Amino acid sequence: EVQLVESGGTLVQPGGSLTLSCAASGFSLTSNFMSWVRQAPGKGLEWVSLIYDGGSTSYADSVRGRFGTSRDISRNTLFLQINNLRAEDTAVYYCARDQIERGSSWYSHWGQGTLVTVSS
Amino acid sequence: SYVLTQPPSVSVAPGQTAKITCGGINIGGRSVHWYQQKSGQAPVVVIYYDTDRPSGIPERFSGSNSGNTATLTISRVEAGDEADYYCQVWDSSADRVFGGGTKLTVL
Repeated sequence: EVQLVESGGTLVQPGGSLTLSCAASGFSLTSNFMSWVRQAPGKGLEWVSLIYDGGSTSYADSVRGRFGTSRDISRNTLFLQINNLRAEDTAVYYCARDQIERGSSWYSHWGQGTLVTVSS
Repeated sequence: SYVLTQPPSVSVAPGQTAKITCGGINIGGRSVHWYQQKSGQAPVVVIYYDTDRPSGIPERFSGSNSGNTATLTISRVEAGDEADYYCQVWDSSADRVFGGGTKLTVL
């Protein structure tokens, strides 16, 4: 059974840093693309970052330069490092299994999400 | 980047049919995926590649895509269908693009 479990969300002061984790089971990160998607309170879904099966990454314009996505293959775990946190980064952060097929991409599995709150 | 437009809300009585639209320039030339998000929960895919339905999703859920509009249709709406619904496509810049979401209210 595929499972994604995020952790690491907490209250952080503006300008601080944080690393979120996503533990995957039931499949290998090295054979899949993975995305981070966030949702600000009361708002819609926003794609944040992608890590390809080979390890290269892509980011939304809104976070490029401040966010970093990586993985630990031995632990089958995905990470999202967020630097210089801003109030507008306050959101639930989801990791999602990204299915690339037939010239498109969709999310077959989502974690339960982890809440990041940026406030002084 | 590519923009997807959804109506903020749709209301329907139980047993009726709900249609949720997703507009985008020549969206018919792209594959559209739909997610259901119930209050306090993670999204769940209900339609992918315009018309495919994952196992476990009722046949009442169907999709279509042509021209500048993709549509999620929910037949015989039930109270349990009340949720936010999001459309999503893959943009050529490798971005994943979501619509703004539509809140389905079952009257």
